[in-house]
Amino acid sequence: NAGVTQTPKFRVLKTGQSMTLLCAQDMNHEYMYWYRQDPGMGLRLIHYSVGEGTTAKGEVPDGYNVSRLKKQNFLLGLESAAPSQTSVYFCASSYSDRGEVTNTEAFFGQGTRLTVV
Amino acid sequence: GQSLEQPSEVTAVEGAIVQINCTYQTSGFYGLSWYQQHDGGAPTFLSYNALDGLEETGRFSSFLSRSDSYGYLLLQELQMKDSASYFCAVGDDYKLSFGAGTTVTVRA
Repeated sequence: NAGVTQTPKFRVLKTGQSMTLLCAQDMNHEYMYWYRQDPGMGLRLIHYSVGEGTTAKGEVPDGYNVSRLKKQNFLLGLESAAPSQTSVYFCASSYSDRGEVTNTEAFFGQGTRLTVV
Repeated sequence: GQSLEQPSEVTAVEGAIVQINCTYQTSGFYGLSWYQQHDGGAPTFLSYNALDGLEETGRFSSFLSRSDSYGYLLLQELQMKDSASYFCAVGDDYKLSFGAGTTVTVRA
C-alpha cells in the first residue's frame, strides 16, 4: 500500500518552461489537494478536488492548472514557470464519510522540490 | 476565506509540557486538525476535533472550543524527537486550510 505518491521528487526548470506534477493515491479517497510550502508561510492551498472530474481553486491558484481525470490521480500543471513558483509542492488526499466532509485525516506525499531559475 | 493564527516558535526542555494555541476564522467549519512535520518531510496527522472538548492520543492531546474559534495541541513529556513543526488545520467547505506552523525546539 503506497499511499500518496508524487513524481518527480526534484526538478529544476528554466523560467518560461512548463511541467506537470503527478500525484497518485491508492486509498480510493474522494478529496485531493495541492499545496505549496514556502519558508515561514506554512502550507498554502493551490487547488483541490472533491471527486473525479471536479476541481476548484484554493487560496493561491494563479499560474497553476489542475486536472482530475481519474479518481486516483491529481495533476498540477505549470504552463510558464516563474521564479516565484520555486517551492516545495505537497499533494494530499482524504476521504469523506457518507458524503459529509470530515477531513479527519489527510495523507500527504513526500513532496516535490521545484526550483525555477 | 479562512485564517488561522498560531505562534511561530516554541522552545522547551525535555520532559516539559508545551501548549500550541490556534485561533481560526472560517466561513464554515468541519473540525480542527493537527499535523506534525519533521524537517520538510511529509506532514503527518496527529489529531482531530470535531466537537468541543479534549481528545487524548498518548502524549499528545488536542482541545477545541467552537464558540471561541480556538483550539490547542498539548505535547507532554517532551522528547527530542518531538522537535518539529506543528500545524493546525481547519476543514471548511471541502477545503483543508493550514496555519503557518509552530516550530517546536526541544533542548536537552
